[in-house]
Amino acid sequence: AQKITQTQPGMFVQEKEAVTLDCTYDTSDPSYGLFWYKQPSSGEMIFLIYQGSYDQQNATEGRYSLNFQKARKSANLVISASQLGDSAMYFCAMRLGNRDDKIIFGKGTRLHILP
Amino acid sequence: DAGVTQSPTHLIKTRGQHVTLRCSPISGHKSVSWYQQVLGQGPQFIFQYYEKEERGRGNFPDRFSARQFPNYSSELNVNALLLGDSALYLCASSLGVVAVTDTQYFGPGTRLTVL
Repeated sequence: AQKITQTQPGMFVQEKEAVTLDCTYDTSDPSYGLFWYKQPSSGEMIFLIYQGSYDQQNATEGRYSLNFQKARKSANLVISASQLGDSAMYFCAMRLGNRDDKIIFGKGTRLHILP
Repeated sequence: DAGVTQSPTHLIKTRGQHVTLRCSPISGHKSVSWYQQVLGQGPQFIFQYYEKEERGRGNFPDRFSARQFPNYSSELNVNALLLGDSALYLCASSLGVVAVTDTQYFGPGTRLTVL
């Protein structure tokens, strides 16, 4: 069965430090996409970054990068130079290829940035 | 450019009542997906519609139904409300391409409280 696991319920990080949010996934499908979303207290899910299973390079978007280790089935989000506005819930999600349109989400990690 | 919009923002209903939630996708997007997010969990897939046809359905009872209109906007209907239906209901729009790269962009959500 397809599954996303986020093992860190909460994290506290000092402002300006880098932070890594863990995500492991489980699927036997060779084609899949991995997504990270940010959800502030307002509730809106904000798309951050995408990584495809066949992508050779790790995805980067500004201060966000994805540490994709296919053999270990992990897709960790790295936020560089954290800011107070990064405090939010972060969800790792997976979409399977060419067969299903739903996105499967993990339970999320609540990130607190300390001043 | 306008993002995904949802209405209403908040809603309070009593058990047994019916509710209709509305969503307008990003211009140019033809697919709308609905998710339920209960407190402390990641979103759970309810439905996806593409070109007015149901493309996918999650593990939700028949009390949940949806439709998509010619302008690609969508409604989610829930009948015979239960206390457990209290949640944040998120709408996501995408181009509708059946591919792992088809990113879903979320609206601000409708927070439903059932008393």
